[in-house]
Amino acid sequence: GIQVEQSPPDLILQEGANSTLRCNFSDSVNNLQWFHQNPWGQLINLFYIPSGTKQNGRLSATTVATERYSLLYISSSQTTDSGVYFCAGYYGGSQGNLIFGKGTKLSVKP
Amino acid sequence: EPEVTQTPSHQVTQMGQEVILRCVPISNHLYFYWYRQILGQKVEFLVSFYNNEISEKSEIFDDQFSVERPDGSNFTLKIRSTKLEDSAMYFCASTLGGNTIYFGEGSWLTVV
Repeated sequence: GIQVEQSPPDLILQEGANSTLRCNFSDSVNNLQWFHQNPWGQLINLFYIPSGTKQNGRLSATTVATERYSLLYISSSQTTDSGVYFCAGYYGGSQGNLIFGKGTKLSVKP
Repeated sequence: EPEVTQTPSHQVTQMGQEVILRCVPISNHLYFYWYRQILGQKVEFLVSFYNNEISEKSEIFDDQFSVERPDGSNFTLKIRSTKLEDSAMYFCASTLGGNTIYFGEGSWLTVV
């Protein structure tokens, strides 16, 4: 079936700690993207990462498409990193039907 | 940086009323979408729109829903007769096509 699974579902960190979020996706899902939903509900695109590795400041992401997983790394976490992190991929040949995972809820404590 | 804008940010409506949610996608984008997120749940695809017609829609997007691009900039979602279960955050999004998707800030719809 069509699946995007994320782990862990919840994560509590002390400010300054590092973390790795994982996303497993099924064969019918491709062109992975990572999003951060802040406490006000806004969805911010962090990475479009169908394969390979990208870095943006303290965040980086790696997708190994052949093994159907993607990882989001957060280094030196800050309280502003709190929120829900979603991975999502396009279904099949779709141009917009993004299938979202259930998200990882991250809380960074000062 | 260009952004997708949505109005209203929050709307409360009575059950059975019609609601129109408005969006201005990023100006050079070609594909437009509506997604929704029921409180505490994951984001779900509703509909995609390309070249002035619906290109895909989900099972959620039934006859109560419609979309329109009335001019060169606006993209609207209409819910004809709202139900309690339509209460959700509705996100508009746009892309150039098959790549990075940009979401608006969302419109909270509360049906009472």
